[in-house]
Amino acid sequence: AQSVTQPDIHITVSEGASLELRCNYSYGATPYLFWYVQSPGQGLQLLLKYFSGDTLVQGIKGFEAEFKRSQSSFNLRKPSVHWSDAAEYFCAVENQGGKLIFGQGTELSVKP
Amino acid sequence: DAGITQSPRHKVTETGTPVTLRCHQTENHRYMYWYRQDPGHGLRLIHYSYGVKDTDKGEVSDGYSVSRSKTEDFLLTLESATSSQTSVYFCAIRSDSGGDNEQFFGPGTRLTVL
Repeated sequence: AQSVTQPDIHITVSEGASLELRCNYSYGATPYLFWYVQSPGQGLQLLLKYFSGDTLVQGIKGFEAEFKRSQSSFNLRKPSVHWSDAAEYFCAVENQGGKLIFGQGTELSVKP
Repeated sequence: DAGITQSPRHKVTETGTPVTLRCHQTENHRYMYWYRQDPGHGLRLIHYSYGVKDTDKGEVSDGYSVSRSKTEDFLLTLESATSSQTSVYFCAIRSDSGGDNEQFFGPGTRLTVL
């Protein structure tokens, strides 16, 4: 069965430090992969997506993610975190029929 | 922002009562989805629609029904609400124009079942 795992439930980083959020997926075919961000009390906003081609994808707000087929991973990175990046981050894979399967989410806290 | 609204935004109800949540879009997108969000589970698909009167079940459909009589509206009904259905409910839409698989999410409805 298809699944997405985000191993880190909560991460705290200092402002200005680099960030990497992990995502591992289980999917038989070439996956469509997404990262969404959710600020408190808000809906989900798409940060970036991978369909094919270049395995390093750029998104909004300075985020990037790298697709590694050999590791079944799609980790999200940012070189320098800002206090406004504090939010919950969700990785998702799209299965046949266009349905999204989400990971459990990683809550990011940013220390001043 | 994608034109998606959800109503109501907050609702408190009692066990055993029927509840209907509405999702309305102004984008004329073909696909619409209902998810629920619970701590530790991320978002899980309840039901989805691939056109007017065309719907199908998702991962956690028990206790829920949906209807789509117009392109712009997708209704989620809890026939007899239970405390386990206390959650935040999100609607999403997706275009069927080739290659664009992005789902856009509404602001959510927080439902509390006492």
